[in-house]
Amino acid sequence: DVKVTQSSRYLVKRTGEKVFLECVQDMDHENMFWYRQDPGLGLRLIYFSYDVKMKEKGDIPEGYSVSREKKERFSLILESASTNQTSMYLCASSPGETQYFGPGTRLLVL
Amino acid sequence: KQEVTQIPAALSVPEGENLVLNCSFTDSAIYNLQWFRQDPGKGLTSLLLIQSSQREQTSGRLNASLDKSSGRSTLYIAASQPGDSATYLCAVKDSNYQLIWGAGTKLIIKP
Repeated sequence: DVKVTQSSRYLVKRTGEKVFLECVQDMDHENMFWYRQDPGLGLRLIYFSYDVKMKEKGDIPEGYSVSREKKERFSLILESASTNQTSMYLCASSPGETQYFGPGTRLLVL
Repeated sequence: KQEVTQIPAALSVPEGENLVLNCSFTDSAIYNLQWFRQDPGKGLTSLLLIQSSQREQTSGRLNASLDKSSGRSTLYIAASQPGDSATYLCAVKDSNYQLIWGAGTKLIIKP
C-alpha cells in the first residue's frame, strides 16, 4: 500500500512565525503536491513538484514556498504565518493518474 | 476557466437507500474525472477514475458515470451503509493537466 505521511496532524502557530509542514511518501513517486482545503471550497493547489529540486506554482502560491531535496520528501514552508493561512493542508503523491493523499495537517494561526 | 460544482453540499439518507451524488463541470475538455472519499479529519481516498473516453466505472456498490457533453458526472451508491458516511469529492483533470476540485458533498447515512 502507498503510504503518505505528514509530520503533524494539528499545529498551532502565532502570526509571523515560520512554519514547516513535512510530507513523506514511500512509493518512489515522481510527483508530489501541496493543497489547502477550506470549508465550502474545493482543494486548491499551492505548489507541486515533478522531480527532485523541481517545483511549480499552483493556483495560490502567495505566502508559501516549498523544498524538495529528496524524492520522498516535499516540504511546505510558510515564511511568515498569517491568520488567513489557517486551514487544512493536504499532501499528495502520484505516479501518474491517481493521487495518494496523506492524512492532512490542520494548522491554526493565532 | 474550468469550474467544478457539487450539489448538494450535504445529504442525509436512511440506511439501505440507493443514492446519487452529482458533479458538474463547465468545460467539457477534460482528460478524466475522479471521485474521492474523505473521512473526517483524514486525507482523501480515490474511489473511481473515469477516462474522458469512458462512460462509466464500477467498483462494488459504487458506480460513476460521465457525460462530457453535458458536463456532468454522477456517483451512484447502492444499498447505502452507515460506513459510507463521508465527504465525497469529484475532481476533473483539465486541458492543462491540472486537477480542478469540487467542494464536496457531505453524506450522512442514518442507521
